[in-house]
Amino acid sequence: DIVMTQSPLSLPVTPGEAAAISCRSSESLLYSNGNTHLNWYLQKPGQSPQLLIYLTSYRASGVPDRFSGSGSGTDFTLKISTVGAEDVGVYYCMQGLQTPHTFGQGTKLEIK
Amino acid sequence: QVHLVQSGTEVKKPGASVKVSCKASGYSFSDYWVQWVRQAPGQGLEWVGRINPKSGGRTYALKFQGRVTMSTDTSITTAYMDLNGLRSDDTAIYYCVRSSDSWDFDYWGQGTLVTVSS
Repeated sequence: DIVMTQSPLSLPVTPGEAAAISCRSSESLLYSNGNTHLNWYLQKPGQSPQLLIYLTSYRASGVPDRFSGSGSGTDFTLKISTVGAEDVGVYYCMQGLQTPHTFGQGTKLEIK
Repeated sequence: QVHLVQSGTEVKKPGASVKVSCKASGYSFSDYWVQWVRQAPGQGLEWVGRINPKSGGRTYALKFQGRVTMSTDTSITTAYMDLNGLRSDDTAIYYCVRSSDSWDFDYWGQGTLVTVSS
C-alpha cells in the first residue's frame, strides 16, 4: 500500500497569514497518462470532508482561489494564501493512483 | 445539485451485520463510481472499497474482503454497503462518496454512524 505522510500534524495560524501543509507519498503518484493522483480535503468540525484540490493542482468547484496545490512525484504542498476563521479543520491528502486509496494522517489547522 | 443522502445511525452487537444505504440525486448515477470511506471516532479516514454502478465492478480493501459487500440499485439510484461479522473496532462513521475516473471523491454523503457494542 502507498503510505501518505503529512506534516505538520498541528498548524496554529494567525488570521490573515499564509499556511502550508506538506504531503509525501511512499511511491510516485504519476500515472501513465500524465495525471498525478493527489487530492486534498478539508474536514470542518462536525462535517463530512470536502474536496479542495484534485489531480495535485486543480481547485474543486466553489473552492476559493486562496487555496492552491502543487507538487509532483512524491512531494506535494497545499497552500492557503490568507487564512480565515472558516478554514479551521483537519486537512487530508489522499492518493488516487491505486487501490487501496490511502489518506494522510491529517493536519489540524487552528486559529491562534 | 448533487446530493448523497445516507441511512441513519445503527447500533449493532458484535457478530451482527449492518447495511448502509446511500441515495444519490442530481447527477447521472451510472456515470460515476461510489466509494465508501470510514472514520473511527477521533481518527483519520480509511478507504473501504468502491463500486461502479454501470458495470458492477467492485474493489474492496484487503482488510474488509470476505466481510463487506457493495451493491447498487440503479432503478432507485441507491448504493449499499453490507458489513458482517461486526467487531467493536468497526465502530465508525461510514461515508459514501462520488468519484469520477480521476478518483477525485468530489461529493460526500453526510455519514452514517455505526456503533458496535455488546
